[in-house]
Amino acid sequence: EAGVVQSPRYKIIEKKQPVAFWCNPISGHNTLYWYRQNLGQGPELLIRYENEEAVDDSQLPKDRFSAERLKGVDSTLKIQPAELGDSAVYLCASSYSIPGSRGRTEAFFGQGTRLTVV
Amino acid sequence: AQSVSQHNHHVILSEAASLELGCNYSYGGTVNLFWYVQYPGQHLQLLLKYFSGDPLVKGIKGFEAEFIKSKFSFNLRKPSVQWSDTAEYFCAVNGRTDKLIFGTGTRLQVFP
Repeated sequence: EAGVVQSPRYKIIEKKQPVAFWCNPISGHNTLYWYRQNLGQGPELLIRYENEEAVDDSQLPKDRFSAERLKGVDSTLKIQPAELGDSAVYLCASSYSIPGSRGRTEAFFGQGTRLTVV
Repeated sequence: AQSVSQHNHHVILSEAASLELGCNYSYGGTVNLFWYVQYPGQHLQLLLKYFSGDPLVKGIKGFEAEFIKSKFSFNLRKPSVQWSDTAEYFCAVNGRTDKLIFGTGTRLQVFP
């Protein structure tokens, strides 16, 4: 079974340009996460979806970041315009969450997209 | 707010040495605890998890972790490391939701 697939793996853009990342979660997983991992740090949650609904986007910088998860499957994360400080690895993860499971789920991660803004 | 602290940022060991990586969390309620590992060039993958019950949990590749509630700790251990254990290790916690909070990670280097 395929894992979480992300593309592209690497992206180099100039500041002020837009960029988009794509994620295809594991089939059947209803929860999808976008994380950002800065160099030397742990992943930080940007947004979490349960099916199509964004249930936690408190850490998403909404002035320049946007995300969508159409039909509750694939998701895209967009930055417009990108800033130098956005250079990081953007990770997508998915899990199958049962109502009432109270967080007892395993999140599966993709390889990530390494973004460099110059 | 929830937080996770990993005090060992970089650990260097020789093969066959014992390993213990510290993890402390800050959260006022019941938590689920995880250790993830990221081998060079690979994606994050689950090493082990604790939800409830026996506070000593065993994971893959001979790793184990002990949940000590009174110390808010979930330290990772392995009695004898191998060169193939060279990786970055992340402790994570959620407070009965799917929102995982990660520590800053510990980079482990094992030399033959």
